[in-house]
Amino acid sequence: GDSVTQMEGPVTLSEEAFLTINCTYTATGYPSLFWYVQYPGEGLQLLLKATKADDKGSNKGFEATYRKETTSFHLEKGSVQVSDSAVYFCALREGGSQGNLIFGKGTKLSVKP
Amino acid sequence: EAGVTQFPSHSVIEKGQTVTLRCDPISGHDNLYWYRRVMGKEIKFLLHFVKESKQDESGMPNNRFLAERTGGTYSTLKVQPAELEDSGVYFCASSPLADPIYNEQFFGPGTRLTVL
Repeated sequence: GDSVTQMEGPVTLSEEAFLTINCTYTATGYPSLFWYVQYPGEGLQLLLKATKADDKGSNKGFEATYRKETTSFHLEKGSVQVSDSAVYFCALREGGSQGNLIFGKGTKLSVKP
Repeated sequence: EAGVTQFPSHSVIEKGQTVTLRCDPISGHDNLYWYRRVMGKEIKFLLHFVKESKQDESGMPNNRFLAERTGGTYSTLKVQPAELEDSGVYFCASSPLADPIYNEQFFGPGTRLTVL
């Protein structure tokens, strides 16, 4: 079945460091891809999305490009801030826009000042 | 506009007891989803309502779990009797029917269930 694999955490970075969180997927069709973020004490929030190959999702300085050839959707940010400390989840959705999400295990990011 | 709310935020029960979790979706959202994250593992889909009907319940782990959405508004998820492996965080999400492309799911803060 469909699945998402993302790098294990936790990841600890200093402020202004470059961030990459790897995400690869297995799917039978052409899924939509998402990154969700969960800040401490809050629910998951959609960070960015891409619906087809070569699409780049971006938000709050984060970017991810849908790479069909490598079945990847890696999350990047050029300069992280303390406020970016959170758990990041990569996810895919097949079966149309009403379908359920399939998540990776999540990567906890801690940014130190 | 109020977001998705879930109650309680935490629940600690003993094995064999019953617990009912509640989710209030964003007003007007016909899609309602339940997910669960067991410690250290993926967030996994449990089921999907469209209004009051169960559209997909393929993720429900067993018949100790019962989900309802009477009237197509709020939903409850009952676990009876609870087992140790049911511990985890239960998330609810909602989305409107009218978005044919992105259908962003809006998540609640989750209910942390601990079964002792």
